[in-house]
Amino acid sequence: KQEVTQIPAALSVPEGENLVLNCSFTDSAIYNLQWFRQDPGKGLTSLLLIQSSQREQTSGRLNASLDKSSGRSTLYIAASQPGDSATYLCAVSNNNDMRFGAGTRLTVKP
Amino acid sequence: DADVTQTPRNRITKTGKRIMLECSQTKGHDRMYWYRQDPGLGLRLIYYSFDVKDINKGEISDGYSVSRQAQAKFSLSLESAIPNQTALYFCATVDRMDEQFFGPGTRLTVL
Repeated sequence: KQEVTQIPAALSVPEGENLVLNCSFTDSAIYNLQWFRQDPGKGLTSLLLIQSSQREQTSGRLNASLDKSSGRSTLYIAASQPGDSATYLCAVSNNNDMRFGAGTRLTVKP
Repeated sequence: DADVTQTPRNRITKTGKRIMLECSQTKGHDRMYWYRQDPGLGLRLIYYSFDVKDINKGEISDGYSVSRQAQAKFSLSLESAIPNQTALYFCATVDRMDEQFFGPGTRLTVL
């Protein structure tokens, strides 16, 4: 059974700092990995999707990497802003089985 | 208009009542999923559907049933609601690359 872990559960940083969020998974036979953002009481917004054959994806200030062999993905956020405050979730897909981490709650202080 | 919509957005009900949550999509995706989210547990898959005739159980299907009325509609039912089904429920569609697109969620409270 695939298990997905996100550490830390919560993170608080000052505005402008670069930061890394972590996601680990136990079964490396994944189809893809997706990072989401969730604002309080809202749905999930897709940030980046990394296929199993890819090592990283970039969108603006966000960069996600994938290392299947070690069961890890990181989401790098450059020059953080207060508007980046949200919960970030990773999800792995394996043969139509979707597993989510519990998320990292990020607070960026002005 | 939103690509994935859910109704109702909020619902309070009593133990033993039958509840239906509805999901509609305009993305044209064949695959649709239902999840529940509980604090500290992330999202867990309840049911998923590849098309109108293909329904599959997810990780936590007990106590739930689904109906795929059309490609665009996928409903989740709680036949007899219980308090531990209080949660945030999300519908999602999935494209050919396995990218997921979520609805805004339904907050369900069972008293």
